Amino acid sequence: DTGVSQNPRHKITKRGQNVTFRCDPISEHNRLYWYRQTLGQGPEFLTYFQNEAQLEKSRLLSDRFSAERPKGSFSTLEIQRTEQGDSAMYLCASSLEDQPQHFGDGTRLSIL
Amino acid sequence: GNSVTQMEGPVTLSEEAFLTINCTYTATGYPSLFWYVQYPGEGLQLLLKATKADDKGSNKGFEATYRKETTSFHLEKGSVQVSDSAVYFCAPENSSASKIIFGSGTRLSIRP
Repeated sequence: DTGVSQNPRHKITKRGQNVTFRCDPISEHNRLYWYRQTLGQGPEFLTYFQNEAQLEKSRLLSDRFSAERPKGSFSTLEIQRTEQGDSAMYLCASSLEDQPQHFGDGTRLSIL
Repeated sequence: GNSVTQMEGPVTLSEEAFLTINCTYTATGYPSLFWYVQYPGEGLQLLLKATKADDKGSNKGFEATYRKETTSFHLEKGSVQVSDSAVYFCAPENSSASKIIFGSGTRLSIRP
């Protein structure tokens, strides 16, 4: 069990640029989640995959956000035309069915 | 949907003091309840869980009991250490998608 891995750990970009984050879940986990955490707040649910199927998307996930999990293993989260308000920590978690979720260390996004 | 109300922080204690962090929840049905901990610069780690009424979760000296009658899941530890300094999140699981609904967390600081 190597844990949930997220890359990059930090991303600094200018407003208006596109960014993509990657999450590698624990290998046998079929569920994968994305959360967003702003300073001083708890994580907020963004979206959830069961294998390669994206089963739920939060209203927080505007049309500038897209997530994929093409082969049911790793996942990517892309933000297009970034805005100041997108600055946050983006957390990925994975689980096996209804077992507890295991979180990665997150990708911290800073928009200049 | 499920939600949680958690003791506001920051909570500052001296080493070896007794800790209680209050948590009450509202939920449809009887969801699993979790305490997660987030150390500085890291993602969330599952601290303990309880899956049904009167279950007691425990780990690393921390305990919490699932109280259906008071809809509470208070976190306790008999003697805290400096290394327990972190942000603690109480969270019910949303059974429809297994996503976790986090509150804003309680920041705990332990003085040597």
